[in-house]
Amino acid sequence: DTEVTQTPKHLVMGMTNKKSLKCEQHMGHRAMYWYKQKAKKPPELMFVYSYEKLSINESVPSRFSPECPNSSLLNLHLHALQPEDSALYLCASSRTVNTEAFFGQGTRLTVV
Amino acid sequence: GDSVTQMEGPVTLSEEAFLTINCTYTATGYPSLFWYVQYPGEGLQLLLKATKADDKGSNKGFEATYRKETTSFHLEKGSVQVSDSAVYFCALSSNSGYSTLTFGKGTMLLVSP
Repeated sequence: DTEVTQTPKHLVMGMTNKKSLKCEQHMGHRAMYWYKQKAKKPPELMFVYSYEKLSINESVPSRFSPECPNSSLLNLHLHALQPEDSALYLCASSRTVNTEAFFGQGTRLTVV
Repeated sequence: GDSVTQMEGPVTLSEEAFLTINCTYTATGYPSLFWYVQYPGEGLQLLLKATKADDKGSNKGFEATYRKETTSFHLEKGSVQVSDSAVYFCALSSNSGYSTLTFGKGTMLLVSP
C-alpha cells in the first residue's frame, strides 16, 4: 500500500475564510511534506515534518500554518489567503527524509 | 546547489513510437534519482528510481539508467501508448545531510493514436 490520501479534492474559499487541508498515510512513514504546484510548473516545497517535528519551512507566509498531530496525519491550516495562492496543494510522505516520496492526489484550491 | 535539467516539451509522438526524455543533474556526492509522472488533474506518481551508478530503474515498460559519468538519467520506452500522455518529472535526492527532492521543470508528453 503506497497511498497518501488528501481531503478535500477541491476547495473554493474567500479571502477572509479559514479552512484546513488534510493528509493521511498508513505506511509508517516518518517524513511528511506539503508542496504547492502552479500550472505547468514542478512542485515547490513548503514544509517538511520529520518524526512529527517541523524540520523545514521554506519561508512560507504565515497565512499557511502546518500541523502534524501524529505520525499518520498532516494538516495545512489556511487563513486570509490571496488569489495568487490558488494552486494544487500536494501532500507527500517518505520513510525518512532522504528516501523516495509518495504523493497524494492533491487539493485543488481556488481563492476568490 | 543541486539541480535537474530536463528537455523542454511538449514531446509529441504517435502511438507505438520510441520515447526518450533527457534528464541531466548536478549534485554533490551520490544522489538518488527518480522519475515521477503526473496525469492530468492528478498528483505525482513515482514511476521508477535508481539509487547508485549503473542501476537501471524500470516500471510499466519505462526504463532509465543512472549514468554517473554523464550525470544523466534519461527516460525511455520502446512503444508509447495514448495512455502515457502526461507530464514527466525527473528528480534527485542528495543522500547526504538533510535533503529533499529537487525537481526538473517537467516534460509534457502527448501521444496521438
